Amino acid sequence: QVQLQESGPGLVKPSETLSLTCAVSSYFVTSGHHWGWIRQPPGMGLEWIGNIHYSGTTYLNSSLRSRVTMSVDTSKNQFSLRLSSVTAADTAVYYCTRFGWADGLAFWGQGTMVTVSS
Amino acid sequence: DIQMTQSPSAMSASVGDRVTITCRASQDISNSLAWFQQKPGKVPKHLIYASSSLQSGVPSRFSGSGSGTEFTLTISSLQPEDFATYYCLQHKSYPLTFGGGTKVEIK
Repeated sequence: QVQLQESGPGLVKPSETLSLTCAVSSYFVTSGHHWGWIRQPPGMGLEWIGNIHYSGTTYLNSSLRSRVTMSVDTSKNQFSLRLSSVTAADTAVYYCTRFGWADGLAFWGQGTMVTVSS
Repeated sequence: DIQMTQSPSAMSASVGDRVTITCRASQDISNSLAWFQQKPGKVPKHLIYASSSLQSGVPSRFSGSGSGTEFTLTISSLQPEDFATYYCLQHKSYPLTFGGGTKVEIK
C-alpha cells in the first residue's frame, strides 16, 4: 500500500517561499504515476496545485503556475513543492497525492497545515 | 479548463434515506470521474473512480454512474457515518478540477 507523508514548516512569513516535501513509501516514484499536491484553505474546497512525473515534466494549475516549482528526488523516493511570494490566501492544508489516469487520486498523505503569517 | 459543477451544495437527509449527488462537467470527460468523502479534519477518502468503480473497502451502499458530462453518486441507505462533504473530481485531463462539494447533514 502506497504511503505518503508531507513535511515542512507549519508557519511561513508573507512574501517568503513555502517548501514542502512528500516522502513516498512502499512504491517507487519512478513508476508510471504522477505525483502532486492538493490544498484546502480552512472551511473551503479542494484545489489542485499540480503534478510531476519523475522525468521532471510538470503539470500546473495556471492560477499558481508563476509561483510554483515542483521537483522529484528519485534517490530519496520523494518529491517537493515550492510556492513563492506567499500571502494569507495561501494558508491551507496541503496534501501530497499519487495520481493515475485510470484511478485518479487514489492515495493521499495525511496533510500538513501551513499558515502564512508574520 | 474543464469546470465541474456539483449539486446540491448542501442537503439534509435522514438515516436510511437514499441520497443522490450530481456532478456536471463542462465538456465530455468520458468516464473519468472520481468521488471523495471528507469528514471535518480528515483526509478526503477515495470512494469511486472511473465513474462507477468502487475503491476497495468502500461499502456497497455507495455507487456511481454516468458518462460524458453528467454523473451521480448514490448512497442507497444513508448511515450515520456517511454525514460528510462529498467532492467530485475529473481525471480526464490536466488541469485536474474538483466540484465545489456537497455537504450532507443530518435532518
